[in-house]
Amino acid sequence: AQSVTQPDIHITVSEGASLELRCNYSYGATPYLFWYVQSPGQGLQLLLKYFSGDTLVQGIKGFEAEFKRSQSSFNLRKPSVHWSDAAEYFCAVGARGYGNKLVFGAGTILRVKS
Amino acid sequence: DTGVSQNPRHKITKRGQNVTFRCDPISEHNRLYWYRQTLGQGPEFLTYFQNEAQLEKSRLLSDRFSAERPKGSFSTLEIQRTEQGDSAMYLCASSLGDPAAGELFFGEGSRLTVL
Repeated sequence: AQSVTQPDIHITVSEGASLELRCNYSYGATPYLFWYVQSPGQGLQLLLKYFSGDTLVQGIKGFEAEFKRSQSSFNLRKPSVHWSDAAEYFCAVGARGYGNKLVFGAGTILRVKS
Repeated sequence: DTGVSQNPRHKITKRGQNVTFRCDPISEHNRLYWYRQTLGQGPEFLTYFQNEAQLEKSRLLSDRFSAERPKGSFSTLEIQRTEQGDSAMYLCASSLGDPAAGELFFGEGSRLTVL
């Protein structure tokens, strides 16, 4: 069965520090991978996506993620966190024509301390 | 482009009552999805429409749940005889084509509380 694991429920980082949020997936087909962010009272917003090609993908708000097939991982990174980055982050996996749906992880809540 | 709109944003109801949520997708999007999100969990897929046709339903969608998209535009999700376990955020999303190839745009959700 398809699954996405985000091992960290909460992460706290200092403003200006670097950030890495972990995501591991299990999927029967060649995966397409996504990171979404959800702020309180807001809808989910796409940060970045990976389909093929360069395994390091750049997204909005200074985020990037690296696809590592051998580790079944798609970790999200940011070199310097801003207080406005505090939110919940979701990793998701899908595949073209594979159920026409995305499978989401349980999310990681990011807290930023000043 | 006004984004995906969901109404009502909050609904409090008593157990056993029926509730209906509405989703207005981005106008040119042919695909519409319903997801459910409970506290501490990521969104879980419920059902999906391509135009007016409901093409897939999750086993999470019991027979008390029904979704429609009568003219291929807005969609409704009705829950009959609500139970406390139905309390959740119901998310609507839309896309133009396969979301695995493009982007899934989410609404802000409709929060249901069943007392």
